[in-house]
Amino acid sequence: EPEVTQTPSHQVTQMGQEVILRCVPISNHLYFYWYRQILGQKVEFLVSFYNNEISEKSEIFDDQFSVERPDGSNFTLKIRSTKLEDSAMYFCASNGVAGGKDTQYFGPGTRLTVL
Amino acid sequence: SQQGEEDPQALSIQEGENATMNCSYKTSINNLQWYRQNSGRGLVHLILIRSNEREKHSGRLRVTLDTSKKSSSLLITASRAADTASYFCATGRGNNRLAFGKGNQVVVIP
Repeated sequence: EPEVTQTPSHQVTQMGQEVILRCVPISNHLYFYWYRQILGQKVEFLVSFYNNEISEKSEIFDDQFSVERPDGSNFTLKIRSTKLEDSAMYFCASNGVAGGKDTQYFGPGTRLTVL
Repeated sequence: SQQGEEDPQALSIQEGENATMNCSYKTSINNLQWYRQNSGRGLVHLILIRSNEREKHSGRLRVTLDTSKKSSSLLITASRAADTASYFCATGRGNNRLAFGKGNQVVVIP
């Protein structure tokens, strides 16, 4: 069964450093998402991406964040200058149906630790 | 937004018993989805119910949706130790994003 994959599973970085989190969505899906979950808290929406552009972003997704689909398979989240409060589990998700009317499939997540 | 907010429960039940958890939301939705998360792991999709559906079954799972009360329930029948996890509801609207609740911690005692 196709699945969303994410690398790395755990990333440790120093405050102020740039990190890139990588995702490979399910191959025939068209909509891609990033969410994050701070330890013990809700899963929060960051950004959705369709047709090579951001379709929606939350207030969390400020200028320090960017997303890219550099080729036909990868979907990346970049944090330019990490802060301590960026420490969280970051989940990528994808679905193939417009308007969020269908299942979003999540990857296993990348645990980001900012020291 | 408080969409997709479960009653913040921690359930502890014996194996074989049923587990029920609830979710309420505040605005209109296209669908409501339930996910399971084992400790420190990813989100596993369990079931999706659309706004025009009232009840849905999948194996030992039963989901109800009451759009007039803006609430949903997830029932796990004949629970197993492997069902121990956190369960989240998430509401979907036309803007694609999912809004998650805080989750219910379920512990099934063998």
